Amino acid sequence: GAVVSQHPSRVICKSGTSVKIECRSLDFQATTMFWYRQFPKQSLMLMATSNEGSKATYEQGVEKDKFLINHASLTLSTLTVTSAHPEDSSFYICSAYERRETQYFGPGTRLLVL
Amino acid sequence: AQTVTQSQPEMSVQEAETVTLSCTYDTSESNYYLFWYKQPPSRQMILVIRQEAYKQQNATENRFSVNFQKAAKSFSLKISDSQLGDTAMYFCAFTRGATNKLIFGTGTLLAVQP
Repeated sequence: GAVVSQHPSRVICKSGTSVKIECRSLDFQATTMFWYRQFPKQSLMLMATSNEGSKATYEQGVEKDKFLINHASLTLSTLTVTSAHPEDSSFYICSAYERRETQYFGPGTRLLVL
Repeated sequence: AQTVTQSQPEMSVQEAETVTLSCTYDTSESNYYLFWYKQPPSRQMILVIRQEAYKQQNATENRFSVNFQKAAKSFSLKISDSQLGDTAMYFCAFTRGATNKLIFGTGTLLAVQP
């Protein structure tokens, strides 16, 4: 149980385009999902908290207009990187909050912006 | 400030031996949850073990166990009978109050040698 999927696993795009990443909880409902960014050999950096039916809460320093988050249902949250630039290239990971105060993570998405 | 410190950036252990990864944390919360996650080369974050701070009994999951010292704010992970598949980055983390946000340490890279 507690499986989280993420799609796509890898994406390459041109500078200036937008990219959408989906995060799904497959076998449980998640009222809260989280989005992280991870640089090579570093820990996870929380970007935002996504709550079903309400606006996302962004961490300090994260551009809301750059990283659009939509939590449309209890099993789906999406992260859209708008007008992507090479500096947005990174590994993005989502997690879904399950009961017992535990987050379960998706497999991550490697984004490369050319 | 709420922080997690992992003082061992890298560790190495022989297959079948036992290794202990250290973690200390700082929080003013009275009730919280502690976690160890592993991130193998695939970069999928996998929950290894969780501990509820109000429980004195140390959590165990098969070959994985913790030594939880609440007064000292210490939460070490012991891996018994190490296997090659245990090679991964290990992150210590705890939840931060009602937001359920995870505070991560910087990680310990564990290499299991044949």
